[in-house]
Amino acid sequence: VQLMETGGGLVHPGGSLTLSCAASGFSVSADYMSWVRQAPGKGLEGVSFIYHDGTTYYADSVKGRFTISRDNSKNTLYLQMHSLRADDTAVYYCARAEVIGAGHFFDYWGQGTLVTVSS
Amino acid sequence: DIQMTQSPSSLSASVGDRVTITCRTSQNVRTYLNWYQQKPGKAPTLLIYDASTLQSGIPSRFSGSGSGTDFTLTISSLQPEDFATYYCQQSYIKPPCTFGQGTYLEIK
Repeated sequence: VQLMETGGGLVHPGGSLTLSCAASGFSVSADYMSWVRQAPGKGLEGVSFIYHDGTTYYADSVKGRFTISRDNSKNTLYLQMHSLRADDTAVYYCARAEVIGAGHFFDYWGQGTLVTVSS
Repeated sequence: DIQMTQSPSSLSASVGDRVTITCRTSQNVRTYLNWYQQKPGKAPTLLIYDASTLQSGIPSRFSGSGSGTDFTLTISSLQPEDFATYYCQQSYIKPPCTFGQGTYLEIK
């Protein structure tokens, strides 16, 4: 199992960026996938999630600005980010979640991609 | 919203020490509590899931316990490679998950 994020970079406040996470060794459509971010020197924050049935969730801090999606034919997860703010600056990780009962855990993570929002 | 409190926020210890990190949740999460280790510049690594189940490939010196709102991660005998930041994560209360603020474990 491997996850590889791409698409990070420097963007001006108010701008947009799309992150990609290419998966191998499993199907993004069959599993529960997520984006987790980490601001510089800070802790981990779950940003967005997509279940195998297509149900999505977003943290309040990104709701209405970020959209999670997947392309099953490319086995790739995406995060479209709009109206970016300085406090969106972070390393963004994609992670696969293994579901157990009413919960889950993240067993595979990508290496992360840095998004910097600055003028 | 559920609150998660890890303690201590930082900890100094020596190789061979026994270390315990606690995670308290403001709501009952049953046993849906996971622990991760993160080293600088790297992605987190899963250590323990479902409060007490050791992830495959993780050394047995790591153990977890607890249920409801109080959980612990114990490292029985610290090794040099264990100095890192540790995070708890609950996955029972939706939206899908919440992480603790982290515990930084440094060499004394």
